[in-house]
Amino acid sequence: GAVVSQHPSWVICKSGTSVKIECRSLDFQATTMFWYRQFPKQSLMLMATSNEGSKATYEQGVEKDKFLINHASLTLSTLTVTSAHPEDSSFYICSARDSRGRSSYEQYFGPGTRLTVT
Amino acid sequence: ILNVEQSPQSLHVQEGDSTNFTCSFPSSNFYALHWYRWETAKSPEALFVMTLNGDEKKKGRISATLNTKEGYSYLYIKGSQPEDSATYLCAFGNAGNMLTFGGGTRLMVKP
Repeated sequence: GAVVSQHPSWVICKSGTSVKIECRSLDFQATTMFWYRQFPKQSLMLMATSNEGSKATYEQGVEKDKFLINHASLTLSTLTVTSAHPEDSSFYICSARDSRGRSSYEQYFGPGTRLTVT
Repeated sequence: ILNVEQSPQSLHVQEGDSTNFTCSFPSSNFYALHWYRWETAKSPEALFVMTLNGDEKKKGRISATLNTKEGYSYLYIKGSQPEDSATYLCAFGNAGNMLTFGGGTRLMVKP
């Protein structure tokens, strides 16, 4: 149980285009999902908290107009990188918290998406 | 900005060796400390969530201790096996369940 999927796992896009990344909780409901980014040789950094049915909460320094987050259902959150540029190339990974509270502390992670912008 | 640090950054051990690594975190406003195991091309797998000072948790050959007063946690692996090769991440969790990660310890176990 507690499986989170991400799609796509790897994407290459041209500068100026937009890319959508999906994060799904497969066997549980998640009112809260989190989006992280990891640059080479750095830690996972929280970008935003995605709340089902409401606006996402962005961390300081993360542009909400560039990284659009939609959490329209209890099992799906999407991150859209708009007008992507090479500096947006990174590893994006999501996590989800089980709403039914197997443990209020635990987060379950997806496998991540490698984005390369050329 | 929370400072969560892990050491060492990487570690090479022989099969059968026991090993341990450290996670240090702020000792104030402690809520939870998470350990994850992350193999390449897979999802990070939750190992432990620790909330109480003095907590010790064990899962097979892996165990962890927690000292919230001095702000550190140790992860121990007894009798390392090649399949233990992975990056081990710790994360400081706040009351809102937001995680601040350390840089990870990359463990490589040679057969």
